[in-house]
Parts: sequence; C-alpha cells; structure tokens
Amino acid sequence: DAKTTQPPSMDCAEGRAANLPCNHSTISGNEYVYWYRQIHSQGPQYIIHGLKNNETNEMASLIITEDRKSSTLILPHATLRDTAVYYCIVRGGGSQGNLIFGKGTKLSVKP
Amino acid sequence: SAVISQKPSRDICQRGTSLTIQCQVDSQVTMMFWYRQQPGQSLTLIATANQGSEATYESGFVIDKFPISRPNLTFSTLTVSNMSPEDSSIYLCSVGTGSTNTGELFFGEGSRLTVL
Repeated sequence: DAKTTQPPSMDCAEGRAANLPCNHSTISGNEYVYWYRQIHSQGPQYIIHGLKNNETNEMASLIITEDRKSSTLILPHATLRDTAVYYCIVRGGGSQGNLIFGKGTKLSVKP
Repeated sequence: SAVISQKPSRDICQRGTSLTIQCQVDSQVTMMFWYRQQPGQSLTLIATANQGSEATYESGFVIDKFPISRPNLTFSTLTVSNMSPEDSSIYLCSVGTGSTNTGELFFGEGSRLTVL
C-alpha cells in the first residue's frame, strides 16, 4: 500500500472550515484513499473514502487531485468535538483489507 | 455498520501474567483484525483473525505472545501472554463488513492495558 504524508498538527477556529491535506504520490490506480479520525480515548472512526472522484457525506468532503497524488479532507464547519487525530490511509488491490495507519494530523479546533 | 464490544475496557495487570481480551460484534463480519496502540503512538496491526484457522500475524508479532482465536463470524479473542511493562497499550478490535478494497473498517473502543 502507498505511503501517505500529513502535517503533524493543525489549528482551526470553531465554525470555520478545516482543510486537512494528505500527500500520496506513490498511489497506484486501484488504491483508495480513506480518512479516519480518532478522538481522544476512543477507537478510530471512519469518515469517508474515494478513488478518483470527489466525495461528500454528512461528515465531510474529500477532494482528490486529478493526478491522485494528493487529497484534502474538508470539515465544512468545524466544532470543538472535531478535535482529534485525522488519519489519511491508502489501501488497494491485493491487500488483506486491513488499514496501515501513519502518524496522522492532530487537529485542534479552538473557540 | 457494526457495533463492536470489547472486554475488558481497561485492566491493570502484573508482570508475567496473561490477559485475554474479547471482541464481540453484533453481526457476522468477513474480516476481523487486532491492532495495538502504544502510548502516544499510532495504531499498529498485530494480526488478522481468521475464522476457523490460525491467525495471520504481522512482522514483529508472534502467536506465542499474542494467541488469537476466532471461533465464529461474530467473536474473537486476543491474549497478551507473559506480560511486561512494554505491553502497556490500547488493544483494538476492528471488523470489515464489505469488500476488501472498498469496505470501511469499524473499530471497538479498545482495551487499555497497564502492566506493572
């Protein structure tokens, strides 16, 4: 599975959009981009995933560049409860279905 | 989605003892995994729990230290054997319900283990 690179930490003002970047320059054609988050003392929570097209659900939007070498997770109106570590993970063909976690981005939403 | 229950949620154990962690899912699932999260670190995959056969371990993890059972499609156990303080971690059960490539994984709340 391709490796991802994320900034170690980011701050965001409450009510503003949080844009979390992820680089995955070695991604291959059949690999998906997944985003999870882990709020303190809880298990990781699935947010969204995509292959080529941009995706949106009730939690967030995922923007994948045309060359698929990077993506951005967007939380449109961040709240204090969105403070968490956000993991960008690439997973694809041939894998056993598990996820390989990197260090993630610690997002702090401030009042 | 899947609801995952882990027991115990936390425990304090003595060096040299063993502890078995249980993972119960509210529906049949195709894939079950065990992860470890050491203090301040990210998650590391320990093994894939295979139903009716031996688990598949990742590099650095062995069956003698982390024996795993999966008797059916809704239940698995992870045992941490002969514990040392270095085993103090959160152990998480994870399940997949869909395709290996497109299905998301769901995680339990974890079992926080402290070894004295």
